[in-house]
Amino acid sequence: GENVEQHPSTLSVQEGDSAVIKCTYSDSASNYFPWYKQELGKGPQLIIDIRSNVGEKKDQRIAVTLNKTAKHFSLHITETQPEDSAVYFCAASIGGTSYGKLTFGQGTILTVHP
Amino acid sequence: GAVVSQHPSWVICKSGTSVKIECRSLDFQATTMFWYRQFPKQSLMLMATSNEGSKATYEQGVEKDKFLINHASLTLSTLTVTSAHPEDSSFYICSATRGFDRGSGGYTFGSGTRLTVV
Repeated sequence: GENVEQHPSTLSVQEGDSAVIKCTYSDSASNYFPWYKQELGKGPQLIIDIRSNVGEKKDQRIAVTLNKTAKHFSLHITETQPEDSAVYFCAASIGGTSYGKLTFGQGTILTVHP
Repeated sequence: GAVVSQHPSWVICKSGTSVKIECRSLDFQATTMFWYRQFPKQSLMLMATSNEGSKATYEQGVEKDKFLINHASLTLSTLTVTSAHPEDSSFYICSATRGFDRGSGGYTFGSGTRLTVV
């Protein structure tokens, strides 16, 4: 089955700096790669996603890049703010006419210091 | 946007009793719902996948007789933890999807249920 590795496990940055979180996946059939933000005691919230026919996607301060050949994808957050502090998860799935199951990375605890 | 409601948000039960958790898609019909379990400071682990009107598919190592899943309609799935024990205490999260062919939406997650068995 699919295996998703996520690094780093913790990331501490100063407000205004950029943060980068990286993930690798094992199944070349995976074609949908979402990123989630989870705050304490809450469910994951989708922040951005990318499909395998796209190499990069950006939404304001957040961007995701995908390298299908190397089977890795990354989350980039620019101009970080204290409210960006949370746990971030990457995931991968084989989508199609119906979604396959998501496999999650181990998570990254991001702390943004004011 | 797609909204998934999960109830209760927290529950405390006595060892040996059963607890039911509900997951509802409020503004879309979910072809598939997923149930996850998350231990503190860990990632989400998929327990089972359920499709409306059919039996759930459980992941390896998940006891189907202990974690009963019912997906009776396109908007409702329930997880019942039967004969709960303290080791079942965890954060349970549901997710719903309507599939690629029904437009974007991906997977929408509920807010989670904190189960504590005493």
